Amino acid sequence: KQEVTQIPAALSVPEGENLVLNCSFTDSAIYNLQWFRQDPGKGLTSLLLIQSSQREQTSGRLNASLDKSSGRSTLYIAASQPGDSATYLCAVQVDSNYQLIWGAGTKLIIKP
Amino acid sequence: DGGITQSPKYLFRKEGQNVTLSCEQNLNHDAMYWYRQDPGQGLRLIYYSQIVNDFQKGDIAEGYSVSREKKESFPLTVTSAQKNPTAFYLCASSHGQPQHFGDGTRLSIL
Repeated sequence: KQEVTQIPAALSVPEGENLVLNCSFTDSAIYNLQWFRQDPGKGLTSLLLIQSSQREQTSGRLNASLDKSSGRSTLYIAASQPGDSATYLCAVQVDSNYQLIWGAGTKLIIKP
Repeated sequence: DGGITQSPKYLFRKEGQNVTLSCEQNLNHDAMYWYRQDPGQGLRLIYYSQIVNDFQKGDIAEGYSVSREKKESFPLTVTSAQKNPTAFYLCASSHGQPQHFGDGTRLSIL
């Protein structure tokens, strides 16, 4: 059964630092891996989607990588800003019905 | 503006009561989903629907029911059989991937 893990559960860094969030999954048979952002008390916003055949995707200061063989993905945030403070969740699509298996998220705090 | 609207934002349930959470989308998406989010856990799928008048159980469907009579609407009923309903409920819709989310409904027990 696919399991998705995000470590650490929380991370606090000073503004301006580059940082990496981690996501691991137990079964490499995935369709894609997705990163989402969730602000407190809000829904989720899609950040990046990496197809199983791809190695990375970039959007602005965000870069996500995927290594299926090791069951790992990283989300790299460059030059962090206080507005990046949120919970970041990763999810893998495991079947053709678009069902997602979710990690519990990493709560990120960027200190001014 | 296109999007997904969930209402109410906060909901309180009395013992033995059924409550219904509303989810409406104007994105013209065929697929809609209901998730439950508990602190420290990933989202868990309750029900999903890929087309009008059809829906499938997710991992934690017990104590919940849904209907999909219109493409735009996918209401979730939390029945009295759900003994631990306190959670944050998220509705999503999609045309393929990624899924688009509403702002959620927080359900608590009175």
